[in-house]
Amino acid sequence: GNSVTQMEGPVTLSEEAFLTINCTYTATGYPSLFWYVQYPGEGLQLLLKATKADDKGSNKGFEATYRKETTSFHLEKGSVQVSDSAVYFCALILTGGGNKLTFGTGTQLKVEL
Amino acid sequence: DVKVTQSSRYLVKRTGEKVFLECVQDMDHENMFWYRQDPGLGLRLIYFSYDVKMKEKGDIPEGYSVSREKKERFSLILESASTNQTSMYLCASKIPGTGSHEQYFGPGTRLTVT
Repeated sequence: GNSVTQMEGPVTLSEEAFLTINCTYTATGYPSLFWYVQYPGEGLQLLLKATKADDKGSNKGFEATYRKETTSFHLEKGSVQVSDSAVYFCALILTGGGNKLTFGTGTQLKVEL
Repeated sequence: DVKVTQSSRYLVKRTGEKVFLECVQDMDHENMFWYRQDPGLGLRLIYFSYDVKMKEKGDIPEGYSVSREKKERFSLILESASTNQTSMYLCASKIPGTGSHEQYFGPGTRLTVT
């Protein structure tokens, strides 16, 4: 079956630190990959996506590159801010797989001054 | 902007009660979803609906049912609430087809069953 594995949190960083949140996947077909973010008290919102190998998704200073050879989609940001504190979810959907997103367990990020 | 609203942010119900969670979206999306979110488990799909009166089971449908009588509204029903259904429930909607995978989420309903 399909699955997404994320690093366990919480991840605690100082403001302006470099962020990496690891995500690897297993898929029976050819997936599109996503990062969703959930700010405190809110629902999830799409942060970035990549639909084919070597694509780089980017948004709000965050980046992730679709690596087919390592089945990974790690989230990175060069300099985090307190406002980036949230839970980050990696997810995949199979091309032609219709509607079903498969989510990872989420990684909580806490950024301190 | 797409707006997905859920009827309650917090709900407390007793074991055995029938519980209705309502979700409304304002973008004429055919596809709507109900997930539950639990620590360490991420989001798990309960049911989804690809059009009015159409529904399909997700990964964990047991103990739940759904209703989609109008395009904009998707209801999750707990026929007889149990304590193991205490969770955060998230509704989402999307444009159908494989060209657009983004799902738009509501703010969630935190349900406690005592």
